[in-house]
Amino acid sequence: LAKTTQPISMDSYEGQEVNITCSHNNIATNDYITWYQQFPSQGPRFIIQGYKTKVTNEVASLFIPADRKSSTLSLPRVSLSDTAVYYCLVGVENYGQNFVFGPGTRLSVLP
Amino acid sequence: EAGVVQSPRYKIIEKKQPVAFWCNPISGHNTLYWYRQNLGQGPELLIRYENEEAVDDSQLPKDRFSAERLKGVDSTLKIQPAELGDSAVYLCASSHLTSGRETQYFGPGTRLLVL
Repeated sequence: LAKTTQPISMDSYEGQEVNITCSHNNIATNDYITWYQQFPSQGPRFIIQGYKTKVTNEVASLFIPADRKSSTLSLPRVSLSDTAVYYCLVGVENYGQNFVFGPGTRLSVLP
Repeated sequence: EAGVVQSPRYKIIEKKQPVAFWCNPISGHNTLYWYRQNLGQGPELLIRYENEEAVDDSQLPKDRFSAERLKGVDSTLKIQPAELGDSAVYLCASSHLTSGRETQYFGPGTRLLVL
């Protein structure tokens, strides 16, 4: 399983764009990248998933360079409600593969 | 569509007592996970089920933890006897495949405090 490395914490202000980068140097050819968000007293929630280049949904964008050794989660114009822990996971594109959660990145959005 | 349901949400017990957690996954999700999450850390996998079969229980402390998933739907995780170090949040998740990729859906968790 590919190991991931993320910053432990980040601070931002409301209305700013936040970019959280995850390193996964030993990502395998079949691995894909998934990001989860976790609020206090809740379970993690799926945000976005991708394999290469750029993926965008209504919540976030995911940028993956050609070598796929890192990925960046981009949250546009954050609000106070985006304060949460964000986890980057790398998994294999096969059914039932386990994902390993690291400590995540604790994002604090300030007014 | 209802999400993953867990109960109870909170449980306080004294050490050496037994405790059980229940999980109802999203309908149609064949894969079910139990995780343990300590304060300030990410979830750690305890056991994974494919239908009613436990396909990965390598991280489950089998001397005191047990789990079952009868009929491949609901699941129960039990601790007997509980120890102080078992205080944590226990998360259940279920998953499905979309275009060959897995997405896990988590329940709210059960917060266990062992005194």
